[in-house]
Amino acid sequence: ILNVEQSPQSLHVQEGDSTNFTCSFPSSNFYALHWYRWETAKSPEALFVMTLNGDEKKKGRISATLNTKEGYSYLYIKGSQPEDSATYLCAFLTGTASKLTFGTGTRLQVTL
Amino acid sequence: DTEVTQTPKHLVMGMTNKKSLKCEQHMGHRAMYWYKQKAKKPPELMFVYSYEKLSINESVPSRFSPECPNSSLLNLHLHALQPEDSALYLCASSLSMGGNGYTFGSGTRLTVV
Repeated sequence: ILNVEQSPQSLHVQEGDSTNFTCSFPSSNFYALHWYRWETAKSPEALFVMTLNGDEKKKGRISATLNTKEGYSYLYIKGSQPEDSATYLCAFLTGTASKLTFGTGTRLQVTL
Repeated sequence: DTEVTQTPKHLVMGMTNKKSLKCEQHMGHRAMYWYKQKAKKPPELMFVYSYEKLSINESVPSRFSPECPNSSLLNLHLHALQPEDSALYLCASSLSMGGNGYTFGSGTRLTVV
């Protein structure tokens, strides 16, 4: 059973704060690491797909880094806005590229 | 069209009923997936179809029966479910297995009574 862990479980920040979350995954048999944003009553939305050790990806105020050797990825949000409130899920794809296993998610709430 | 459409959005069924969940995409994606999500848990993979063939069955009970009639459509047939099968059922697709991010539908909220 693959263990994909995320921390913290939940986070409550003020508008304008910057924040980051962690995703830990097995360092062996790595194919890719996905990040998704899931707003309540909507579909999970793909943010990043990361495949190379040392990868850094950016989309607006959100960025992510990847360390496949030690098995972790960070997601950063700069200047949080209320519309960033969502659950952020990471997911690990094994070397066979067939099975995407999700972490437990970090629930972010941004208040004014 | 950049969406995965799931119907119905909500379903209540009795333990003796037979029902089906439907998932549709017109993005030319050749891999499609069923996930099950219970409250406060991550989505769990149930089935993977690649090029309309069942590629992965994660030891799902036979009361769940997937079907991929064509490259755009994925069904999940339900029969003799148990109350513990109540969950959010998510469909997703990707260009190919392992290819790019997955596009998810908004799910079917299933309640078994």
